[in-house]
Amino acid sequence: ELKVEQNPLFLSMQEGKNYTIYCNYSTTSDRLYWYRQDPGKSLESLFVLLSNGAVKQEGRLMASLDTKARLSTLHITAAVHDLSATYFCAVAFSDYKLSFGAGTTVTVRA
Amino acid sequence: DAGVTQSPTHLIKTRGQQVTLRCSPKSGHDTVSWYQQALGQGPQFIFQYYEEEERQRGNFPDRFSGHQFPNYSSELNVNALLLGDSALYLCASSEGRGYTFGSGTRLTVV
Repeated sequence: ELKVEQNPLFLSMQEGKNYTIYCNYSTTSDRLYWYRQDPGKSLESLFVLLSNGAVKQEGRLMASLDTKARLSTLHITAAVHDLSATYFCAVAFSDYKLSFGAGTTVTVRA
Repeated sequence: DAGVTQSPTHLIKTRGQQVTLRCSPKSGHDTVSWYQQALGQGPQFIFQYYEEEERQRGNFPDRFSGHQFPNYSSELNVNALLLGDSALYLCASSEGRGYTFGSGTRLTVV
């Protein structure tokens, strides 16, 4: 069965501290996507990871992919309030569809 | 350059009715996928259209059907609406490995 598991599902961050969201998946894939969703809004693409060892960074966010471990991480450096949102990872198990995790709801507090 | 356009943005329907949602893909994208996102969950793949044919289908009943037109735009039709069909319906267009999501249609079934 194709599964994508994110943890934690809820993350309360303190401003200025570092945190990591984990995304595990059940079957071989070499394509993994990270999205951000604000309440009531659509999905904003953050990163596309296309190979083992891929690392991408944008501002305070950094994503990496380990295809052998079937694991991706989204690392947040020095959290700020603007990062409050729900973050989804999605895995392409075939060429035709993305399988999403349940999402990690992030709240950043002062 | 317009991104993915979906219409309508919001819709309220009664149980048993039928609904049609529309999607115009990003310029240059020839593939359209539809996803259902229930409240508090990750998006679930409904189906994908390419060259006016359904290429892959997720675990959704036949009440969900679609169409792709020669200009690559697409429609999602849902018959015999159930309360459980209430969700945000997202259209994603792609060309190659990148996916761009529209802002979605919020369907409420009462």
